[in-house]
Amino acid sequence: DSGVTQTPKHLITATGQRVTLRCSPRSGDLSVYWYQQSLDQGLQFLIQYYNGEERAKGNILERFSAQQFPDLHSELNLSSLELGDSALYFCASSARAHSGTGELFFGEGSRLTVL
Amino acid sequence: AQKVTQAQTEISVVEKEDVTLDCVYETRDTTYYLFWYKQPPSGELVFLIRRNSFDEQNEISGRYSWNFQKSTSSFNFTITASQVVDSAVYFCALSGTTSYDKVIFGPGTSLSVIP
Repeated sequence: DSGVTQTPKHLITATGQRVTLRCSPRSGDLSVYWYQQSLDQGLQFLIQYYNGEERAKGNILERFSAQQFPDLHSELNLSSLELGDSALYFCASSARAHSGTGELFFGEGSRLTVL
Repeated sequence: AQKVTQAQTEISVVEKEDVTLDCVYETRDTTYYLFWYKQPPSGELVFLIRRNSFDEQNEISGRYSWNFQKSTSSFNFTITASQVVDSAVYFCALSGTTSYDKVIFGPGTSLSVIP
């Protein structure tokens, strides 16, 4: 158990819909990362937050947005869903020290299926 | 730009054989971190090791060993006397050393250990 909690574990929805994925980081971790894992694209970095502030952005579509709340949990919002958005969405957290990066602790992922 | 290449898409070995997973990276940073993660069939991503760019000592942990060669930008992972439980997808990853840096994953190598 990594200590990172993601909900829901599985989600099935229709094209055009909007979903919210939730992540609670490990206790004490200030950084939250979102990754998308699909069969053809591997693990793609979406976005990172550090103590509520957006720190790095990857290949995140404009239809997707995220935020980190004062209690450090994070939500990834996916809207106008398309079939190609079907993937496993991972949240990870880390206790990043000022001088560098620590290892990432991943949640179990949220498997999104868009029909 | 940072990039991680894992040229081996899939590897199959017979139990008890040794196997090496290759990782080649590209970065313009003078200091950086390298990682290996394991994703077993159950799906969660598990951190295995982190290596600083200024520490080229090889590391051994049980049946696992890592060979970091800065001169060839490689960070290879060897499993000695492989076991069925080693069957998983293994990801090599790269990150800068500031809290603004994102962790970039390679495409992964799927290892199957056959009994």
